[in-house]
Amino acid sequence: EVQLVESGGGLVQPGGSLRLSCAASGFTFSNYWMSWVRQVPGRGLEWMANIKEDGSVKYYLDSVKGRFTISRDNAQDSVYLQMSSLRAEDTAVYYCAKIFYYRSGGYSPDYWGQGTVVTVSS
Amino acid sequence: DIVMTQTPLSLSVTPGQPASISCKSSQSLPQSRGETYLYWFLQKSGQSPQLLIYDVSNRFSGVPDRFSGSGSGTDFTLKISRVEAEDVGVYYCMQSTQLPWTFGQGTKVEIK
Repeated sequence: EVQLVESGGGLVQPGGSLRLSCAASGFTFSNYWMSWVRQVPGRGLEWMANIKEDGSVKYYLDSVKGRFTISRDNAQDSVYLQMSSLRAEDTAVYYCAKIFYYRSGGYSPDYWGQGTVVTVSS
Repeated sequence: DIVMTQTPLSLSVTPGQPASISCKSSQSLPQSRGETYLYWFLQKSGQSPQLLIYDVSNRFSGVPDRFSGSGSGTDFTLKISRVEAEDVGVYYCMQSTQLPWTFGQGTKVEIK
């Protein structure tokens, strides 16, 4: 059974930093791209970042480029999101997700974690 | 960025009746290898999203056959042939044709 468990969320002041972690199990972690997606309370979903199986390729949403860094440790079956220069508008539930590549060439999250809450406030 | 627009934003359905959700993209989602990269997710209350449909019309593992997806170009539809109580939640479409991935704003489905 695929399991993704996020941790590291909490209350942080504007301008502060936070590191989110996502521990994966139930699949061969090193064979899959991984993603972070956030959800502002009561609102929709917003893609943040993707990272390739070996960590060599990373993609970011423009609004977080330079502030957020996605990384992974395949020995620990974990993916991370280092967030800095946090703003009130970064307040959200942050989900990690496993990415599946279909035979068509398309790709999407297929499994999601339960999310971790980040609140940016003074 | 490709903007995904869902209608309606909310839907109240009698159990056993059909339901339909529209998702329109601001740009045509180009086909590659004959496929369009459009996905549907359901987020039940208090839960994380779960994948329902991939590549427009393919049901993900374990998804009941009352769910179906269709469409091409800029217009896509998710249909539930006979709504059940367990289908309540917020439905999102998503495109991965182009980064950034973008989601529709969500359609809340409730039972009458």
